[in-house]
Amino acid sequence: NAGVTQTPKFQVLKTGQSMTLQCAQDMNHEYMSWYRQDPGMGLRLIHYSVGAGITDQGEVPNGYNVSRSTTEDFPLRLLSAAPSQTSVYFCATIGRWGGEQYFGPGTRLTVT
Amino acid sequence: GENVEQHPSTLSVQEGDSAVIKCTYSDSASNYFPWYKQELGKRPQLIIDIRSNVGEKKDQRIAVTLNKTAKHFSLHITETQPEDSAVYFCAANNNDMRFGAGTRLTVKP
Repeated sequence: NAGVTQTPKFQVLKTGQSMTLQCAQDMNHEYMSWYRQDPGMGLRLIHYSVGAGITDQGEVPNGYNVSRSTTEDFPLRLLSAAPSQTSVYFCATIGRWGGEQYFGPGTRLTVT
Repeated sequence: GENVEQHPSTLSVQEGDSAVIKCTYSDSASNYFPWYKQELGKRPQLIIDIRSNVGEKKDQRIAVTLNKTAKHFSLHITETQPEDSAVYFCAANNNDMRFGAGTRLTVKP
């Protein structure tokens, strides 16, 4: 099992560009989420999904869109990148019965 | 939504000493409280967790205590080793997981 995978590992964007961060899992977990991690601020929840077809906003959703068409995939879209979105992005999953959250390896995004 | 506060932000101890990190949460409906360790450049890894129906849990050198009435929980690491040096995060979960800001632990040999 690959667990939780994220692509790309690194990305540099110019202000105003759009892109999609990919997240996939092969653990058949219902719950998936996206976090951003900035120095000194811990992990902040962007969006989450409790199952295919269902998404909800977290603490810092502005500037990001998500969709969940399948159990396996949970892409995060930046429609118009801004320097404030420079961060490390982690995707994570939780199984049906709750408990441990499994993190992907992260995507380091720089917006210039 | 849930708000989690974590203290201290940095902690330096001598090898062999104990380290304690404390967190408070705001949502009394939160029922799951994990602790994560994150080494530089890596993803967070779960080290111990506790559910709201338990007051204390121990796993070798690490333990977590939970006080539901006061809405706080703590991580205790005994006999610290240099490899314990990392950033530690607490979190609280009701419908979604919210994290504290992290504690950078340094264990000096």
